Amino acid sequence: QSALTQPASVSGSPGQSITISCTGTRSDVGAYNYVSWYQQAPGKAPKLMISDVSNRPSGISSRFSGSKSGNTASLTISGLQAEDEADYYCSSYTGSSTLYVFGTGTKVTVL
Amino acid sequence: DVQLVESGGGLVKPGGSLRLSCAASGLTLSNAWMNWVRQTPGKGLEWVGLIKSNSYGGTIHYAAPVKGRFTISRDDSKNTLFLQMNSLTTEDTAVYYCTNETSGSFDCWGQGTLVTVSS
Repeated sequence: QSALTQPASVSGSPGQSITISCTGTRSDVGAYNYVSWYQQAPGKAPKLMISDVSNRPSGISSRFSGSKSGNTASLTISGLQAEDEADYYCSSYTGSSTLYVFGTGTKVTVL
Repeated sequence: DVQLVESGGGLVKPGGSLRLSCAASGLTLSNAWMNWVRQTPGKGLEWVGLIKSNSYGGTIHYAAPVKGRFTISRDDSKNTLFLQMNSLTTEDTAVYYCTNETSGSFDCWGQGTLVTVSS
């Protein structure tokens, strides 16, 4: 099971919107709505930001939103803030023996 | 609040064994789907395995790279999750996290424990 493909880096100025893509296959992202997104600050554990493609857990800012089209899921951060600078990973259920696959990770830089 | 605390990491030689623990509070592990996820230094995340709740029979699944070498178990009386790792290779060097799963997403994560496999 190959890792989901994400851009290595995305940057934006404060207040702007950025979108991170997460490309899989019709066997993972394209087949299930179990796509989630995680934020990881340096030296910290990942933190769930989006579940089930587009659901925000309690306490997560509405500036974070998720969507999916075909084999590609996306995370959009609107009104970019300095505190959003971190690594972001997507994940998808696969239904295969390796149940879950993660994305390659995207470093978000706030200019 | 749910808190997960991993321990047991350290330096081990190739071919060696190590057992990781994950102590939970605010969450009854026997009712939870618990996963191990690892992260290699400077690289990404990799799913290692899952133990389902007792109501789902405690079924266990493993990722292909660790199947046959790693064993997930749980002590319900101590509310603690374990990962027994045998026949370790340098490829297993990583930070290992325990995390509870709800409907396909990993809700709460421990702080992680570092396993280094080196001669």
